[in-house]
This record gives sequence, structure tokens and C-alpha cells, in this order.
Amino acid sequence: QITLKESGPTLVKPSQTLTLTCTFSGFSLSTRGVGVAWIRQPPGKALEWLALFYWDDDKRYSPSLKSRLTLTKDTSRNQVVLTMSNMDPVDTATYYCAHSGAYRSGLYRIANWGQGALVTVSS
Amino acid sequence: AIQLTQSPSSLSASVGDRVIITCRASQAINSALAWYQQMPGKTPKLLIYDASTLESGVPSRFSGSGYGTDFTLTISSLQREDFATYYCQQFNDYLFTFGPGTTVDIK
Repeated sequence: QITLKESGPTLVKPSQTLTLTCTFSGFSLSTRGVGVAWIRQPPGKALEWLALFYWDDDKRYSPSLKSRLTLTKDTSRNQVVLTMSNMDPVDTATYYCAHSGAYRSGLYRIANWGQGALVTVSS
Repeated sequence: AIQLTQSPSSLSASVGDRVIITCRASQAINSALAWYQQMPGKTPKLLIYDASTLESGVPSRFSGSGYGTDFTLTISSLQREDFATYYCQQFNDYLFTFGPGTTVDIK
């Protein structure tokens, strides 16, 4: 059974860096065709894909946020960490991590989501 | 980056209605499109991937079609539990993008 859980601060100040950790179980990020994605959703608004850490250590970022995002992993702890710099109130959102699996060579889908973590940006 | 548009942005329907939601990509993505359902306060649920493949456990009243730039999600007979927001999502060049969503509410 695949599970994921996000952890991190619930409140950050403007200009600070946000660090969120995704702790997962039920799969290995070393397995071919696997990835861990980050998605966010501001209150009452649409989903926005942020980044994805692939099994082969390839990392992809949303072009609009690429300069602010960094992904790292801790294989021994089954964790993927997302950092987002220079936080602003518009970054207030629920941040989700999710398992992404390949259904065909080079094609991925997102089927398992964490419960999400609400992060508020305010002074 | 590939952009997705959805129409309508919202619709009102009755139980038993046939509902069609469309999604258009700014450039061709073959069949690399998925549909998600999100209930208020809940995490999104994958309904369809690869444009037309039903995710395991999803009722057969949901179906998807399309290729290239134009896609549709059809709910053949709307049930009470289907009132939700639906998002399309594309995958291209190892990047994802979500559409803006379509909210289906009760008429």
C-alpha cells in the first residue's frame, strides 16, 4: 500500500524559505518508472504542479517557479524534500506530495496523494 | 510550457444527466492527458489517464476521449456523489500541467 505524508511549517514569513518533507512508504524511489511529485492548491483555487523527483535522480520543475524550487531526497529515510525560496503571501496553499508511476515507457500518471499540508505565508 | 483550458468553468446539472467537460492543450500532447475529481476538502482522485484509460475502481459511467489537443470527459449518468470539481492534467517532456478546473454542481 502506497502512502505519503507531508510535513513542515504551517506558517512562514514573507521572504523566508519553505522546507517541506514528503515521507513515503509502499514504494522505492530507486525503482524504475517511479517519481515523487509536489503539487499545491491555494484556498479555493486550482491545482498547480510544482516539481517531480524521478527514480533516476532526474528532477523537473514548473517553468514558472523553477528559480525558487529545489528538490532533494534522503533514500534511507524514504523522503523527498521540497524547498521554495522567497515565499510570498500568494504562495499560501495546501501543498501535496504524490506518487507518480509510469504506465508506459516515458509516460507518467499521479494516482496516490498525500493528505496535504496547509502553509500560510504571513508576517 | 503547455497550457490547458477547460470548458465550461462550471455547470449545473441534475442527477441522471449526461455531462461533458472539455480540455484543450496549447500544443499536441498525443494521449498524455489525465482527469481528476476533487471533492471539497478532499485530495484529488485519478479517474482517467492516457486520455481514455479508466483508473482501477472508477465507475464505468466515467469515460474519456481525445488525442492531440482536444479531449473530453463524459459522465454518462450523473450521480449525487459526482458533484465535484474536475481537473484535466497533461504530461509532456517529463513535466505536468493542470487545467483550471470545472465545477459540477446541483441544478
